[in-house]
Amino acid sequence: DGGITQSPKYLFRKEGQNVTLSCEQNLNHDAMYWYRQDPGQGLRLIYYSQIVNDFQKGDIAEGYSVSREKKESFPLTVTSAQKNPTAFYLCASSILAGATYEQYFGPGTRLTVT
Amino acid sequence: GESVGLHLPTLSVQEGDNSIINCAYSNSASDYFIWYKQESGKGPQFIIDIRSNMDKRQGQRVTVLLNKTVKHLSLQIAATQPGDSAVYFCAEIPDSGGGADGLTFGKGTHLIIQP
Repeated sequence: DGGITQSPKYLFRKEGQNVTLSCEQNLNHDAMYWYRQDPGQGLRLIYYSQIVNDFQKGDIAEGYSVSREKKESFPLTVTSAQKNPTAFYLCASSILAGATYEQYFGPGTRLTVT
Repeated sequence: GESVGLHLPTLSVQEGDNSIINCAYSNSASDYFIWYKQESGKGPQFIIDIRSNMDKRQGQRVTVLLNKTVKHLSLQIAATQPGDSAVYFCAEIPDSGGGADGLTFGKGTHLIIQP
């Protein structure tokens, strides 16, 4: 049963704490992505990684950090420097070959910081 | 600003009618577009894609039309069903880099199916 898993589905943290969101895929995809979604908005790219041990900043990387130590895992840390961390976080992956650039999305993690 | 956007934030249609969701893009170099469906509290699901060398592509109950002259994309859903209620996003590959740098998403249109 292949796919992308994100955990947990809901996460609550106090302001000033770092929090790490998990993303795992067993699709053998090369690239992985993190997006943020705010209510009534589209998705905005935070970080992406095309290969293990390498990643690039997206449009809104400030206050976030990532690692890509394994092909199947791409955890996102929301640091205390992120001024507005409450949002719905979506992880995606894609295969960097073939005729399609489709990104497969996980179910998302809703983070609430108070 | 957004290079991909939608004309209407909410679209309400009767069950059984056809729906048309529109999307404008500003980057004439974009060569690949995807439509995603997102149900409440879930991740987006792929619906259909189209390359810039095509002007129409059909799937099951869905058709995507691409007008490169006016940089406009539309998603047509035939015979809408209650399960079609969702937010629909168009997304583009903003350059010819093969999509590795991520997609650019519009804000989305909320499709509501009236019984």
